[in-house]
Amino acid sequence: ILNVEQSPQSLHVQEGDSTNFTCSFPSSNFYALHWYRWETAKSPEALFVMTLNGDEKKKGRISATLNTKEGYSYLYIKGSQPEDSATYLCAFFHDYKLSFGAGTTVTVRA
Amino acid sequence: DVKVTQSSRYLVKRTGEKVFLECVQDMDHENMFWYRQDPGLGLRLIYFSYDVKMKEKGDIPEGYSVSREKKERFSLILESASTNQTSMYLCASSSSYGPGGYTFGSGTRLTVV
Repeated sequence: ILNVEQSPQSLHVQEGDSTNFTCSFPSSNFYALHWYRWETAKSPEALFVMTLNGDEKKKGRISATLNTKEGYSYLYIKGSQPEDSATYLCAFFHDYKLSFGAGTTVTVRA
Repeated sequence: DVKVTQSSRYLVKRTGEKVFLECVQDMDHENMFWYRQDPGLGLRLIYFSYDVKMKEKGDIPEGYSVSREKKERFSLILESASTNQTSMYLCASSSSYGPGGYTFGSGTRLTVV
């Protein structure tokens, strides 16, 4: 079982503030890293699939960076809004399957 | 617009019962997965399948089995439900072609009493 760690476990953000959090994964035999957003009572939704060292992806106010050599990825939320409240999961792709971190739960206060 | 459908949103079963969780996808994906989600542990892979009648054990297969008789359907079976199998179960599918993400179902919250 591969160790994929996310920190912090949870965070509270004031509406309009920006925030970021981390995913750490094994740096050897890298193939891909996924990010998902999981809102309460909904299905996890794919945000990004990142495959190259130095990759930067963006979707609206959410962006992600990837460092495969040191084994970490950051997810950034710019100008947080209440609809950004969700659990954000990262997952490391290996042996044709994903291993997930425990997630970072973001609560945006209005 | 539903692409991965899980048969039940909530399920309550008794200890010792045989439980079937059904998952159907309409995207013609080759790969299908069953995960369970418990607080603080993230999603853990139970079983997965790359093709019809194929199955592979994930990280926590004990107490579970699966069936994939048709490409679109992947069933998770709890042979004799136990209270430690109370959890949220998520089905997902993905294509073997290209680096796309997984598509998840909405989950089944199973309580074993």
